[in-house]
Amino acid sequence: EAGVTQFPSHSVIEKGQTVTLRCDPISGHDNLYWYRRVMGKEIKFLLHFVKESKQDESGMPNNRFLAERTGGTYSTLKVQPAELEDSGVYFCASSRLDQGETQYFGPGTRLLVL
Amino acid sequence: RKEVEQDPGPFNVPEGATVAFNCTYSNSASQSFFWYRQDCRKEPKLLMSVYSSGNEDGRFTAQLNRASQYISLLIRDSKLSDSATYLCVVRRGSTLGRLYFGRGTQLTVWP
Repeated sequence: EAGVTQFPSHSVIEKGQTVTLRCDPISGHDNLYWYRRVMGKEIKFLLHFVKESKQDESGMPNNRFLAERTGGTYSTLKVQPAELEDSGVYFCASSRLDQGETQYFGPGTRLLVL
Repeated sequence: RKEVEQDPGPFNVPEGATVAFNCTYSNSASQSFFWYRQDCRKEPKLLMSVYSSGNEDGRFTAQLNRASQYISLLIRDSKLSDSATYLCVVRRGSTLGRLYFGRGTQLTVWP
């Protein structure tokens, strides 16, 4: 079974530009989460989808961040315009609705905003 | 106050040693507890869930003290391959929802 995949693995952009991150969850996993780790800090929750619906978006830092999950499959996280403090590692995780206990993480996207 | 507090270490131990990590959580309503392992520049991976009665998986033993809001992980007979960062993770829900992470404790096992 393929794991959670994320694209791109790395992204270097300039302040003010736009970046879109993609996450493909494990097939059949209705729960999809976005997390972020800023250097020197703990991994923090951004938002949670159940299928195509946003279940919890309380961790989104501001309105420069937009997450979508059209069709309830893959998800995108767009940052527009990017700021220096957005640099970090963005992880996606997925889990099954009937086995919500374990969240499986993707390899992350390393974002550097210059 | 942070949701989950961990001693960041680093812990440097020889092969075969026993090492213990601790963490505390601030929200008494938390219901699910985990230890995740994260290798350098990799994603976090579930090591084990932590149950109220304590649980063991091979060389790894996890304990939970709800009254003190304290979670521990004991690694016996350390192997070189145990070198990683160990993340204490808490969830308020019993089956679903966001995870709260500690900053992680770095372990290096040397030959």
